[in-house]
Amino acid sequence: EVQLVESGGGLLQPGGSLRLSCAASGFTFSSYWMHWVRQAPGKGLVWVSRINSDGSSTSYADSVKGRFTVSRDNAKNTLYLQMNSLRAEDTAVYYCARGASAYSLWGKGTTVTVSS
Amino acid sequence: EIVMTQSPATLSVSPGERATLSCRASQSVSSNLAWYQQKPGQAPRLLIYGATTRATGIPARFSGSGSGTEFTLTISSLQSEDFAVYYCQQYSNWPPDTFGQGTKLEIK
Repeated sequence: EVQLVESGGGLLQPGGSLRLSCAASGFTFSSYWMHWVRQAPGKGLVWVSRINSDGSSTSYADSVKGRFTVSRDNAKNTLYLQMNSLRAEDTAVYYCARGASAYSLWGKGTTVTVSS
Repeated sequence: EIVMTQSPATLSVSPGERATLSCRASQSVSSNLAWYQQKPGQAPRLLIYGATTRATGIPARFSGSGSGTEFTLTISSLQSEDFAVYYCQQYSNWPPDTFGQGTKLEIK
């Protein structure tokens, strides 16, 4: 089955760190650009980061630049998002998504809550 | 950054009727525009890409039109499962990819 499965979310205090994972299966992961998109409670979709197929090129939303790092391990078919210096405003469901243009496949998301 | 503006914020339509959702870009995105459907508690699902092309498995009642800065998603005859939130997204000029704020399609 073609799917993306996120993991690693949780509850943590401001200033903390977390690493999210996105496991891909059913397709050739190494051929696809990948993204992280987040959705705060009751809000819309916000793009967070992208990485190209071989991991050599990345980009970030201004709101997370310098705090978040996207990476991938094509041998393990896994996408990562290292999140440091977390803030309350980073609270959201984090989705990974596949695609160089439109996002043709999404995971079900993992929830990150930043609260003291 | 390209700003995507969707209208209306909420659209109330009866089952079987037509729904027309709009999306405007702050500058031209050519045809680099996608539409997504999101139901409560679920991930978004790609409906339309390239402004007009239906994604795999999407029913023919969904259609997209437009180019440049003005886009429309039309659902020709609403089914109960179509009531959801719809987002447009541009992928012409990145980073960042930008989404509209969403249109909630509700049962009238």
